[in-house]
Amino acid sequence: QVQLVESGGGVVQPGRSLRLSCAASGFTFRSYGMHWVRQAPGKGLEWVAGIWYDGSNENYADSVKGRFTISRDNSKNTLYLQMNSLRAEDTALYYCAKDIQLYYFDYWGQGTPVTVSS
Amino acid sequence: DIQMTQSPSSVSASVGDRVTITCRASQGVSGWLAWYQQKPGKAPKLLISGASSLLSGVPSRFSGSGSGTDFTLTISSLQPEDFAIYYCQQGNSFPLTFGGGTKVEIK
Repeated sequence: QVQLVESGGGVVQPGRSLRLSCAASGFTFRSYGMHWVRQAPGKGLEWVAGIWYDGSNENYADSVKGRFTISRDNSKNTLYLQMNSLRAEDTALYYCAKDIQLYYFDYWGQGTPVTVSS
Repeated sequence: DIQMTQSPSSVSASVGDRVTITCRASQGVSGWLAWYQQKPGKAPKLLISGASSLLSGVPSRFSGSGSGTDFTLTISSLQPEDFAIYYCQQGNSFPLTFGGGTKVEIK
């Protein structure tokens, strides 16, 4: 069965960096695009970034462009999100999500929490 | 960016009621629209893709319709397990965007 397990979240000061990971299993990881979606406490869903199946193309929300970088290692079945210059408004639960090949998300992880606070 | 607006933001309904949620896009997204259900403390679950295609295992009381800018999610007979927050999402163009959500509450 498909499993997505995020890790790397935590409490970090504004301006610092954090790298999230998402370990995938149960499907052919290298064949699917992957995404990060976040949800601030008590708020709705916000798509953050996406990457093509082979890593050849990336897309970002305007709110994170230039600060966050999505990447993947298909040999390790792992998705990453490098988050730099973190701000208080980046505080959220970060989900890793598998693309159904139509820019929709058919499987989600349980999320990893990120808190940006001094 | 394409803005997705859902209405209502919340609805109170009883078991057995028919519930309709609307999602409007700020510009046309053709049929590139999905609906998700999220329960407290859980990740979202994809219910419908391509505006009207029900995912495998999703009860047939859920249905979606629409194209262009106006879409609806209908629950034909609300069940206790359907009380949740529902989100629409456009997959037409980047950045991908979600609606603000509709909370379906017990009356």
